[in-house]
Amino acid sequence: DTGVSQDPRHKITKRGQNVTFRCDPISEHNRLYWYRQTLGQGPEFLTYFQNEAQLEKSRLLSDRFSAERPKGSFSTLEIQRTEQGDSAMYLCASSSTGTGGETQYFGPGTRLLVL
Amino acid sequence: GNSVTQMEGPVTLSEEAFLTINCTYTATGYPSLFWYVQYPGEGLQLLLKATKADDKGSNKGFEATYRKETTSFHLEKGSVQVSDSAVYFCALSVVGGGADGLTFGKGTHLIIQP
Repeated sequence: DTGVSQDPRHKITKRGQNVTFRCDPISEHNRLYWYRQTLGQGPEFLTYFQNEAQLEKSRLLSDRFSAERPKGSFSTLEIQRTEQGDSAMYLCASSSTGTGGETQYFGPGTRLLVL
Repeated sequence: GNSVTQMEGPVTLSEEAFLTINCTYTATGYPSLFWYVQYPGEGLQLLLKATKADDKGSNKGFEATYRKETTSFHLEKGSVQVSDSAVYFCALSVVGGGADGLTFGKGTHLIIQP
């Protein structure tokens, strides 16, 4: 039973560069979530997919951020023109469609440092 | 909107002590409630959950009861172990009306001393 995987686990970049992260959810899960976690805080919701459709975006997701899930399987999160304030842990989670209260399973995260 | 407030840490206890980590919430709609745990160097794991009022979630000796009247979901354990040292997050999601993800508290760092 493979869990949620994320790649890379760590990324260091210079301000102004673009970065892309990948998330592979648990195979039978049709929902995929992205969160951002900064030091000392809980994760904050960014966006959510059901299959390939992006159904919800947080106001935290500025226009420099874009997420895709082209075939309803893996997802990518791209940050363009990175800023130092983008430094955080980016978490991916997946779940299966249920009647509500379904468990989200989290990946290990990608830690981004913008210099 | 939705929000979760949990007690700030770090919380330091001796082994075999009784643990309570307080969590209260506000929600638009009827929430499901969760406790997630993050062990050092690991990802978030679900510890327990409850989806309706008066439900009790339990796992690994931890318990939490969904109290609608006090909008609370306090985490308890009767006798903690060193291996329980971790960061604990209370979270909610609203049932129905779309899925805007989990809303988390800031986390409580628990340190258990032998």
